[in-house]
Amino acid sequence: GNSVTQMEGPVTLSEEAFLTINCTYTATGYPSLFWYVQYPGEGLQLLLKATKADDKGSNKGFEATYRKETTSFHLEKGSVQVSDSAVYFCAPTTNQFYFGTGTSLTVIP
Amino acid sequence: EAGVVQSPRYKIIEKKQPVAFWCNPISGHNTLYWYRQNLGQGPELLIRYENEEAVDDSQLPKDRFSAERLKGVDSTLKIQPAELGDSAVYLCASGMNTEAFFGQGTRLTVV
Repeated sequence: GNSVTQMEGPVTLSEEAFLTINCTYTATGYPSLFWYVQYPGEGLQLLLKATKADDKGSNKGFEATYRKETTSFHLEKGSVQVSDSAVYFCAPTTNQFYFGTGTSLTVIP
Repeated sequence: EAGVVQSPRYKIIEKKQPVAFWCNPISGHNTLYWYRQNLGQGPELLIRYENEEAVDDSQLPKDRFSAERLKGVDSTLKIQPAELGDSAVYLCASGMNTEAFFGQGTRLTVV
């Protein structure tokens, strides 16, 4: 089956700092890869996705590249904002989504 | 367009009582998921529907949990009887072509 390993949190950064959240996965078949974000008290929202090797997903300044050779999908943002404070989930999917434990990010002014 | 709608948002019940959650997916989405999210954890799949058929319910504790998706649209998830360990957020999602959209969830507290 599928599984995912995410960088453990919590992560605390100052505003405008560079963000990397590591994600590696194991999967049967050829999964699509997703990052979801969960703001406090809310459900999960799709942040970005990539469906084949070397694709780059991007949204709201966040980026992640589908690296098939290293089975990774690391999330990056060049300059974080306070409003980016949330929990981030990496999720490979074939027929269902497999979520990691999530990485909590707090951005301080 | 409305997103995935879940109700209620919050529910507090005593152990051994029954409880039901309702989900209205995005119109046209054939796939519907129920996930359970424990505090500080990622969501875990309980059941996945393709139209009205449950195609993956391997993680659903069938002794106390049941689900249905009549007419392949709305879905309900039921727990009877509830246990203390069932306290969690229950998330419904719908999708097509592998992308999934989540509702805001129902936070269940069993006391």
